[in-house]
Amino acid sequence: AQKITQTQPGMFVQEKEAVTLDCTYDTSDPSYGLFWYKQPSSGEMIFLIYQGSYDQQNATEGRYSLNFQKARKSANLVISASQLGDSAMYFCAMRDPEETSGSRLTFGEGTQLTVNP
Amino acid sequence: DSGVTQTPKHLITATGQRVTLRCSPRSGDLSVYWYQQSLDQGLQFLIQYYNGEERAKGNILERFSAQQFPDLHSELNLSSLELGDSALYFCASSHAPRETQYFGPGTRLLVL
Repeated sequence: AQKITQTQPGMFVQEKEAVTLDCTYDTSDPSYGLFWYKQPSSGEMIFLIYQGSYDQQNATEGRYSLNFQKARKSANLVISASQLGDSAMYFCAMRDPEETSGSRLTFGEGTQLTVNP
Repeated sequence: DSGVTQTPKHLITATGQRVTLRCSPRSGDLSVYWYQQSLDQGLQFLIQYYNGEERAKGNILERFSAQQFPDLHSELNLSSLELGDSALYFCASSHAPRETQYFGPGTRLLVL
């Protein structure tokens, strides 16, 4: 079974600083996808960034980048130049291989990020 | 705005009742997913449909059922509601099963 672990229940960062949110995963499948979603206090789930297991380069989307270390099974999210609006819950998720169980997402417990002015 | 719509936004009902949650996927998306987010269980996958057919099932209770209609909208039916069913229910959609899932705003269900 797939498993996602986020070991930081809460993180604090100063505005304009960079922050790294940790995510480790466990899977025996060679093909998988890793995602990060943001959930503000309003409740919606916002897609941030995706990394495929066969992607050679780390994914980047604006101020978001993914530090993908396949051998260590980690997929940490790096947010550069933090803004007050980045304060939210952040979830790491893994997509199941479609061949076995559809393409459901398995989520971690989440990390609550607070950006201080 | 992800393009996925869910109605209603909020729902308050009593134990033993039945409710229907509705989801319209993004234009062109064929896959629909339902997730439940609760304080004790976190975010959990319930069920997936692709082009009208059930594709995968998670830990969905027998009291819960879903379907995807020919116009690709989906409904999640929750019956014999219990206090523990109170949660935020998300619908997500993707064009194809292996593509990024975009989430709707969720339906917040409170069972009293």
